[in-house]
Amino acid sequence: QKEVEQDPGPLSVPEGAIVSLNCTYSNSAFQYFMWYRQYSRKGPELLMYTYSSGNKEDGRFTAQVDKSSKYISLFIRDSQPSDSATYLCAMTPTSGTYKYIFGTGTRLKVLA
Amino acid sequence: GAGVSQSPSNKVTEKGKDVELRCDPISGHTALYWYRQSLGQGLEFLIYFQGNSAPDKSGLPSDRFSAERTGGSVSTLTIQRTQQEDSAVYLCASSLRGGNSNQPQHFGDGTRLSIL
Repeated sequence: QKEVEQDPGPLSVPEGAIVSLNCTYSNSAFQYFMWYRQYSRKGPELLMYTYSSGNKEDGRFTAQVDKSSKYISLFIRDSQPSDSATYLCAMTPTSGTYKYIFGTGTRLKVLA
Repeated sequence: GAGVSQSPSNKVTEKGKDVELRCDPISGHTALYWYRQSLGQGLEFLIYFQGNSAPDKSGLPSDRFSAERTGGSVSTLTIQRTQQEDSAVYLCASSLRGGNSNQPQHFGDGTRLSIL
């Protein structure tokens, strides 16, 4: 079993929909959680960076962490065709490390 | 400001040849990371530099892979005697500090390596 599981999709939604992207993980030591967006033939771009449990909002994006369930989510409100990309979750423990453990990514298509 | 820069963006080479991949981190970032992304796989950690030192090389898949960093800035990843299974996108990231400072990592656009 992988440390981080992410549904690969593709996930297709109409423009304006609310999108929910999720990752589950097995290592209870993970404390920092990141969401990256990756366009085709580009590098991952950091979207959200959160510590421990709770919610964080930035514009149309909301990141949620539920450590009791080992489950993280990224919500995209009012989705746009420009949001079409692969979304990667990543996580790392609090101390003594620098390696991000990534999910395999979910491919999202927002249809105009 | 300028982001992480990687070159070349694409590299096609024959099996058995050596290749060098270059990474210019964000100015002032002391930590530098190399990852590999294969089709259908997540990003796989290869090596981490803090300054010019590599405290963790545990992700390098074999002794054909090596990396160095000079002047606390540019890094080169070298693959000797390339094999077809080395075909992947090689991504470099940098962060302001490394170790347990947990500064977010910022990525370049990668080098797409194809071994014929």
